[in-house]
Amino acid sequence: GESVGLHLPTLSVQEGDNSIINCAYSNSASDYFIWYKQESGKGPQFIIDIRSNMDKRQGQRVTVLLNKTVKHLSLQIAATQPGDSAVYFCAENGGGGNTPLVFGKGTRLSVIA
Amino acid sequence: GAVVSQHPSRVICKSGTSVKIECRSLDFQATTMFWYRQFPKKSLMLMATSNEGSKATYEQGVEKDKFLINHASLTLSTLTVTSAHPEDSSFYICSARAGDLTGELFFGEGSRLTVL
Repeated sequence: GESVGLHLPTLSVQEGDNSIINCAYSNSASDYFIWYKQESGKGPQFIIDIRSNMDKRQGQRVTVLLNKTVKHLSLQIAATQPGDSAVYFCAENGGGGNTPLVFGKGTRLSVIA
Repeated sequence: GAVVSQHPSRVICKSGTSVKIECRSLDFQATTMFWYRQFPKKSLMLMATSNEGSKATYEQGVEKDKFLINHASLTLSTLTVTSAHPEDSSFYICSARAGDLTGELFFGEGSRLTVL
């Protein structure tokens, strides 16, 4: 079946550096993507989303890039802080409608102080 | 943003007993809620779609008689793990959309079930 996956399972960065987390998706019908942050023992927390009619969207310290040609999604975190340490998941809404999200495998981000 | 609340956040039970987990949308109505399951260091796996006033839709491989879902109102869905076994120990998370039915899913804080 079609799936969403991540290139890197773990990522360690120095505090203050920028972080880039990547995600590949395979469902060409997907038109909405979200990045979630999950801290230990908690539910996923929304970070930023992007629809397929856009290729870039910026939030506070975060930027999501979407490349539909190669079905690739990335999350960029500027000036990474210790509080950013968590597992990050990309998710897709395969084609629209009130359908569940399909989650990628997740990347653990560790910030080194 | 919209708030989804789960209860209990943690529960420990003996094998063979049943456990009910509640998922409430606190400031919006949800005709559809989604139940996910997450094993340690793994991603979220969809278990079922809970539909208000009708039967839930289960994903392949999920036993509907074991994981009973009831969506009796527009703000409450419950997941009951029946005759629980240690392998049912997991983190169960519910979610729902508010307003834009093609957009962001709001998640509860999750319920960690431990079956002894």
